[in-house]
Amino acid sequence: DTAVSQTPKYLVTQMGNDKSIKCEQNLGHDTMYWYKQDSKKFLKIMFSYNNKELIINETVPNRFSPKSPDKAHLNLHINSLELGDSAVYFCASSQGVRAGNTIYFGEGSWLTVV
Amino acid sequence: EDQVTQSPEALRLQEGESSSLNCSYTVSGLRGLFWYRQDPGKGPEFLFTLYSAGEEKEKERLKATLTKKESFLHITAPKPEDSATYLCAVQALGKFYFGSGTKLNVKP
Repeated sequence: DTAVSQTPKYLVTQMGNDKSIKCEQNLGHDTMYWYKQDSKKFLKIMFSYNNKELIINETVPNRFSPKSPDKAHLNLHINSLELGDSAVYFCASSQGVRAGNTIYFGEGSWLTVV
Repeated sequence: EDQVTQSPEALRLQEGESSSLNCSYTVSGLRGLFWYRQDPGKGPEFLFTLYSAGEEKEKERLKATLTKKESFLHITAPKPEDSATYLCAVQALGKFYFGSGTKLNVKP
């Protein structure tokens, strides 16, 4: 069973479109994250939710909006896609936000904006 | 400013040739240092967590160590299946900061 699963794995779309990436975790974790990995392989946090409540909201364009219907799901909606949004987006989860809690990642969603 | 720096960016080894990967960090209030392995087209896979200077953890051919300023991932007698990108992350102030990784290529 996949612990953190995200869909779609690959997404090619045109500039200006709106798209969503879905994420689900079956680890029973309280905290979920969205990370963006750029071409230089840096993983940068975008958002974090703890028990459906937004706790980290890094400086990302407000075209990006996370939604957490329950603590096992965290979806990412992107409006008016731009070329610079092309990247790999990783969903992740951990058991709470205490120090030292390990983050477990999904397989990634490859977004290409053309 | 870089808070987590990994070196080298890329490393080529012959099978059986041991080496070390470095992760240096400048964050204060370290709460944990994490090593991940990332294969092409996959998400990062958790390897180790280190919490305090002097701590060591081992798993098969991998051994991670931690000092107050850096961590090393030692690879003993690597095999081709150890080829991957190894990511280091530090947790401080409730956030994770990732390095850009070391891409390891082990040739048979």
